[in-house]
Amino acid sequence: IAGITQAPTSQILAAGRRMTLRCTQDMRHNAMYWYRQDLGLGLRLIHYSNTAGTTGKGEVPDGYSVSRANTDDFPLTLASAVPSQTSVYFCASSLDSNQPQHFGDGTRLSIL
Amino acid sequence: GQNIDQPTEMTATEGAIVQINCTYQTSGFNGLFWYQQHAGEAPTFLSYNVLDGLEEKGRFSSFLSRSKGYSYLLLKELQMKDSASYLCAVRDGDYKLSFGAGTTVTVRA
Repeated sequence: IAGITQAPTSQILAAGRRMTLRCTQDMRHNAMYWYRQDLGLGLRLIHYSNTAGTTGKGEVPDGYSVSRANTDDFPLTLASAVPSQTSVYFCASSLDSNQPQHFGDGTRLSIL
Repeated sequence: GQNIDQPTEMTATEGAIVQINCTYQTSGFNGLFWYQQHAGEAPTFLSYNVLDGLEEKGRFSSFLSRSKGYSYLLLKELQMKDSASYLCAVRDGDYKLSFGAGTTVTVRA
């Protein structure tokens, strides 16, 4: 089934550890995005990529990095996790930056 | 930054109509989206407005007034399955999407 897949579904992580959240889409969408969703704050954009090989910073990029080596994959890395990064992380993609975004099922991350 | 406001919660009865308002102030405007998000699930796309006026899609309609920085999502003939959070999102001049905090709609029998 075509769509966008995130892994892992959930994770508990010790502070200071490195963690990569995976995101893969098979819809040949050019644009991909990472958001975090926290209670009362809504979805906030972390990083985005309008096309393979390019990335940009969103509203809350500090402590996170991304890469876009190909069209399908857009991993998000926390170099040294901190408790304030406890959140639900959603990956999304769209055909281009003009089109509606489609979301993955999310990764629930707890940093202790 | 962007400023997007929508009510936190609304409650309505099955079969009724509910209108969720969204006001926004953004640097540039390239469209407004509404998403539905059930608890513990991913947001799903509902509607898109870029020009002023009403867009109707079955039981759901969305309205936009760019001069007033205002939109609403109208849910008609409410069903229990419509209980969810509804997210207003504005695409700015750089084509990035900013989301409001969401409106939780509870449908009562």
